[in-house]
Amino acid sequence: QSVLTQPPSASGTPGQRVTISCSGSSSNIGSNTVNWYQQLPGTAPKLLIYSNNQRPSGVPDRFSGSKSGTSASLAISGLQSEDEADYYCATWDDSLNGWVFGGGTKLTVL
Amino acid sequence: QLQLQESGPGLVKPSETLSLTCTVSGGSISSSSYYWGWIRQPPGKGLEWIGSVYYSGSTYYNPSLKSRVTISVDTSKNQFSLKLSSVTAADTAVYYCARRDAVTSDAFDIWGQGTMVTVSS
Repeated sequence: QSVLTQPPSASGTPGQRVTISCSGSSSNIGSNTVNWYQQLPGTAPKLLIYSNNQRPSGVPDRFSGSKSGTSASLAISGLQSEDEADYYCATWDDSLNGWVFGGGTKLTVL
Repeated sequence: QLQLQESGPGLVKPSETLSLTCTVSGGSISSSSYYWGWIRQPPGKGLEWIGSVYYSGSTYYNPSLKSRVTISVDTSKNQFSLKLSSVTAADTAVYYCARRDAVTSDAFDIWGQGTMVTVSS
């Protein structure tokens, strides 16, 4: 049971826009910034979004993040086949005094 | 560019201690801007933060694992290490080491490729 709640799966067709949600509480998302990671099959996670909505160098602007209250979202526009991966949200939890991850969302490009 | 590489036994017996090392290349582990962490992923499951260490040696651990975890740093070798005691099959996972940028992103921005550790007799 993850501290942060994500839908286990999401899907879309090429060119479509999809969003992935991440729900937490006042001790984590409600009081700290959210990061998103992309994990392609068989590889290590890669930082995709940091500080709620910032993209590291090299990450396409098709990827965007937002946060409101105790929830966050990752949006992918212009969906491409290479976006098929697992996506994880993460943040610091003030009550647990540690980093917490969502359970992950498997994105399928139909 | 900075790279991280995990190393250690791929098979550990139940009740024994799992030991892994992460070697940092292309940069110094002694930078004040970064923390160094361990994260694991059981087969087919999600990510779990294990703990982190600063170059000074200060550490902080996942409360659920704290009684069994020790993370240390060796600045002379540009390495940091993980020890997890009294392992069971539930500790079977891919173990990743990662850098946390505490200044710019406050995120784990660089990851090692991961190493699979199986707990079995």
